[in-house]
Amino acid sequence: AQSVTQPDIHITVSEGASLELRCNYSYGATPYLFWYVQSPGQGLQLLLKYFSGDTLVQGIKGFEAEFKRSQSSFNLRKPSVHWSDAAEYFCAVGPLGSSSNTGKLIFGQGTTLQVKP
Amino acid sequence: DGGITQSPKYLFRKEGQNVTLSCEQNLNHDAMYWYRQDPGQGLRLIYYSQIVNDFQKGDIAEGYSVSREKKESFPLTVTSAQKNPTAFYLCASSYRGGAEAFFGQGTRLTVV
Repeated sequence: AQSVTQPDIHITVSEGASLELRCNYSYGATPYLFWYVQSPGQGLQLLLKYFSGDTLVQGIKGFEAEFKRSQSSFNLRKPSVHWSDAAEYFCAVGPLGSSSNTGKLIFGQGTTLQVKP
Repeated sequence: DGGITQSPKYLFRKEGQNVTLSCEQNLNHDAMYWYRQDPGQGLRLIYYSQIVNDFQKGDIAEGYSVSREKKESFPLTVTSAQKNPTAFYLCASSYRGGAEAFFGQGTRLTVV
């Protein structure tokens, strides 16, 4: 079955420290991969996406993610975290483009990031 | 500005009542989606629609209904058959056949 796993439910980092949020997926082929961020009580904002090509993807707000096919992973990274990065982060996957493509997304459970001053 | 508008932001209803959540988009997207979010469970797909007058059940459609009479609108009705309707509901849209979804700001439904 298709699934997305974010192993870390909650992460705390100090401001200025580096960050890595893990995401592993189970899928029959290479999916489209996404990271979204959600502030409390708000909708989801797309941070970055991977469809094909270069496996290191740059996103907004200084985030990047690396697709590793051999590990079925798409981990999110940021070199230096800012207090405003405190939020919930969701990894998601979508099916490949085809006549049966529904555009549905499968989400991980989310990782809550807390930033210490 | 283009975007997805969900209304209302907060909604309170008595148990046993049906309630309809509004979702409107002016992005000219063909596909629209409804997700339910509960703490610690991520987002789960309720219903989705690829074109007008057509929609399909997602993973947790029981107790919910939708309509898609216009391209811009995809209202969700939470019926009295939904056992645990209190949740945060998110509407999204995308180009047909595309996977990148854009989200509204959500509606928090509380049933008392």
